[in-house]
Amino acid sequence: DVKVTQSSRYLVKRTGEKVFLECVQDMDHENMFWYRQDPGLGLRLIYFSYDVKMKEKGDIPEGYSVSREKKERFSLILESASTNQTSMYLCASRLAGGRADTQYFGPGTRLTVL
Amino acid sequence: AQKVTQAQTEISVVEKEDVTLDCVYETRDTTYYLFWYKQPPSGELVFLIRRNSFDEQNEISGRYSWNFQKSTSSFNFTITASQVVDSAVYFCALSEADAGGTSYGKLTFGQGTILTVHP
Repeated sequence: DVKVTQSSRYLVKRTGEKVFLECVQDMDHENMFWYRQDPGLGLRLIYFSYDVKMKEKGDIPEGYSVSREKKERFSLILESASTNQTSMYLCASRLAGGRADTQYFGPGTRLTVL
Repeated sequence: AQKVTQAQTEISVVEKEDVTLDCVYETRDTTYYLFWYKQPPSGELVFLIRRNSFDEQNEISGRYSWNFQKSTSSFNFTITASQVVDSAVYFCALSEADAGGTSYGKLTFGQGTILTVHP
């Protein structure tokens, strides 16, 4: 079974803090993704990574950065957290290319910025 | 740009009723993949089905069935004889692909439909 884990289920931070959200997958997947989920908006892609040290902006990258130093780990960084970044953050991974497109998701991190 | 619309924000049914969740999509590509995911209260998205754009055959898996119609750009999901455990948020999603069928990997999600099944 594919396992995607996220470092925290719940996180409370203050405005202006630097925040790290960690995601680890154990299936040797090349591709990894970060989404945020907000009521009425579904999931929106923040950043994704095709492979180690590779990253591409998604639909809403402003205020975020990412790091992929090892294949199994993909970190989302909020350089200076703001209240409008209060949200549920979901990480996903998938095998690269081909038709095996299914993305597997972690349990999510609910971030509150005060 | 691609877009997925789930017009039903919330649906409430009584156990054993059948329920259909609607999904309409927009894409310029001729090759693409469509998905349904379930998000139970625990929060983790659970993959339900993937369908590629060349395969319009409907699919049934137990109480679940999917109706894919390219002519109307719809990929609807029906739960027969609903159960309380079906209560969740359901997402429809789209992934574009190249002519060879290799997906670009990025998913575009609909807004989600909250399904509540009452005993």
